[in-house]
Amino acid sequence: EAQVTQNPRYLITVTGKKLTVTCSQNMNHEYMSWYRQDPGLGLRQIYYSMNVEVTDKGDVPEGYKVSRKEKRNFPLILESPSPNQTSLYFCASSLSSTGNTIYFGEGSWLTVV
Amino acid sequence: AQSVAQPEDQVNVAEGNPLTVKCTYSVSGNPYLFWYVQYPNRGLQFLLKYITGDNLVKGSYGFEAEFNKSQTSFHLKKPSALVSDSALYFCAVRDMSYRGSTLGRLYFGRGTQLTVWP
Repeated sequence: EAQVTQNPRYLITVTGKKLTVTCSQNMNHEYMSWYRQDPGLGLRQIYYSMNVEVTDKGDVPEGYKVSRKEKRNFPLILESPSPNQTSLYFCASSLSSTGNTIYFGEGSWLTVV
Repeated sequence: AQSVAQPEDQVNVAEGNPLTVKCTYSVSGNPYLFWYVQYPNRGLQFLLKYITGDNLVKGSYGFEAEFNKSQTSFHLKKPSALVSDSALYFCAVRDMSYRGSTLGRLYFGRGTQLTVWP
């Protein structure tokens, strides 16, 4: 079954404690991206990756890092989380940057206190 | 720059009545347009998409959307609303512009909360 898997699904953490949200897809997709969803703002892209070792900033990259060492995995790293990073995070993938089918993970609810 | 506007934060409709959730867009080139639905405490579910072809697109759960190039709109519609349709709806456009670094990015509207009253 084609899927995008995110972990953890729910996390409460404290300010400054590094955390990683993992994302894995089983479809051999080249394009992967991270979005955050905030009330009244919709979803905004944080980072994206065109392929292995190719990553770039989206609209709201501050406070985040990513890596793409393998095609299937695209972890989102919060080196020093702050309360304004409390949000719902989605990982997405598609065959390419011009693909017309986009798969989303189930979302990761992150609370930073 | 690409953008999507959902002019209504909330739409309320009685069960059995038709519903419309509005979306307008601004893109360079041909648009890839999407509708997603989000139920409370759940992820995004794909409803339908317009890539090319017929302007009327049919999707999941009886929803459809009409692509109107002249009005740059992609309104979501359903002939007869159900209480179970109550959810948050997002319109999105994929950047297909090969100029700049935003190729492939999805731009989302702010979402429209649909409430269907019994």
